[in-house]
Amino acid sequence: EADIYQTPRYLVIGTGKKITLECSQTMGHDKMYWYQQDPGMELHLIHYSYGVNSTEKGDLSSESTVSRIRTEHFPLTLESARPSHTSQYLCASSEGQPEQFFGPGTRLTVL
Amino acid sequence: AQSVTQLDSQVPVFEEAPVELRCNYSSSVSVYLFWYVQYPNQGLQLLLKYLSGSTLVKGINGFEAEFNKSQTSFHLRKPSVHISDTAEYFCAVRPGGYQKVTFGTGTKLQVIP
Repeated sequence: EADIYQTPRYLVIGTGKKITLECSQTMGHDKMYWYQQDPGMELHLIHYSYGVNSTEKGDLSSESTVSRIRTEHFPLTLESARPSHTSQYLCASSEGQPEQFFGPGTRLTVL
Repeated sequence: AQSVTQLDSQVPVFEEAPVELRCNYSSSVSVYLFWYVQYPNQGLQLLLKYLSGSTLVKGINGFEAEFNKSQTSFHLRKPSVHISDTAEYFCAVRPGGYQKVTFGTGTKLQVIP
């Protein structure tokens, strides 16, 4: 079944740790996105990719980095997590149609 | 640049009553409009979309929305809500020809038994 997956779903980690949030989609979409979501606020685009070896920063400045080595995989990495990184991170993909398809999200808490 | 305004952060409504969730947008170009729903601890799911044509758009779960160009609005409606409709609803706009989507701040719909 075509879908978009995110792991882990929940992560609690200490300050200074390196973390990678995984995102994979089985729909063959070229375009993939990372959003940061905080309560009561709009979703903020932090990274996007229009294909393999293509990555761009989004509208919201983020200390995270991304890579796109394979079409289906778009991981997000924080080299040194801080409490200010506590948030929900949503991955999405699209291709052809105007709407985006979202994964279930990763809720990150940095202590 | 485009923007989306969802004036109501929370909307309580009794079960089987009608509901309207308001969305206004601003854009200097023609746009695509979307409503997404987010259930607790889940990602966003597309409810419906307006691309062109008929201004009344029907979506999943009995929801519909009407595009009003003169009022730059795209309000979401349902004639009779169910407990399972309790969720957060996001309006979004994407200018035609561009990939980036702007989301509203969301409206939490609480259906009261």
